[in-house]
Amino acid sequence: ETGVTQSPTHLIKTRGQQVTLRCSSQSGHNTVSWYQQALGQGPQFIFQYYREEENGRGNFPPRFSGLQFPNYSSELNVNALELDDSALYLCASSPRQGLNTEAFFGQGTRLTVV
Amino acid sequence: QKEVEQDPGPLSVPEGAIVSLNCTYSNSAFQYFMWYRQYSRKGPELLMYTYSSGNKEDGRFTAQVDKSSKYISLFIRDSQPSDSATYLCAMSEITGGGNKLTFGTGTQLKVEL
Repeated sequence: ETGVTQSPTHLIKTRGQQVTLRCSSQSGHNTVSWYQQALGQGPQFIFQYYREEENGRGNFPPRFSGLQFPNYSSELNVNALELDDSALYLCASSPRQGLNTEAFFGQGTRLTVV
Repeated sequence: QKEVEQDPGPLSVPEGAIVSLNCTYSNSAFQYFMWYRQYSRKGPELLMYTYSSGNKEDGRFTAQVDKSSKYISLFIRDSQPSDSATYLCAMSEITGGGNKLTFGTGTQLKVEL
């Protein structure tokens, strides 16, 4: 177990709806990254948060947004859901910014958009 | 062309075999190299990471990096059925912030009795 917990584990949403996914980082970790993993693909970087500020973003549209809270937990919000947003969403926490050799992943949230 | 290429497999080997998993990359700025194992319906689990060219060993696992060829490998000795999983290579640049991991597509491994 990595100590990174995500909720919910599974979610079904309708196209056009909005969704919020949550992540509790491992104790002592102040950096949280979010990834999208489509079926049969490797995880794709969405963005990273460090000390409550977005600190790097991948090639995802603005309808993907996030927050990090003072306790370093994090949320991923996706607006105007599309069918292609169906994927496993992974949260990874790291003990310090900029050093991904110790990035630990949660179990993921499997989102299905119908 | 993808920054990281990885043969998706599937790769099927008998128990006890030596397994070789490989990735190539095109971005010379990649400095950290990692291998993750992902069981079905689970999050990736960090197996090994390395920074420099050469070999790094941890139990039955050996990670190898050749920066001149932009090629990394993971060797698994005495493979076990419990090693059956998808293996993801991942790479990272050294930047001032916002480091991201760039993953391969993953290689699906099945170790059979």
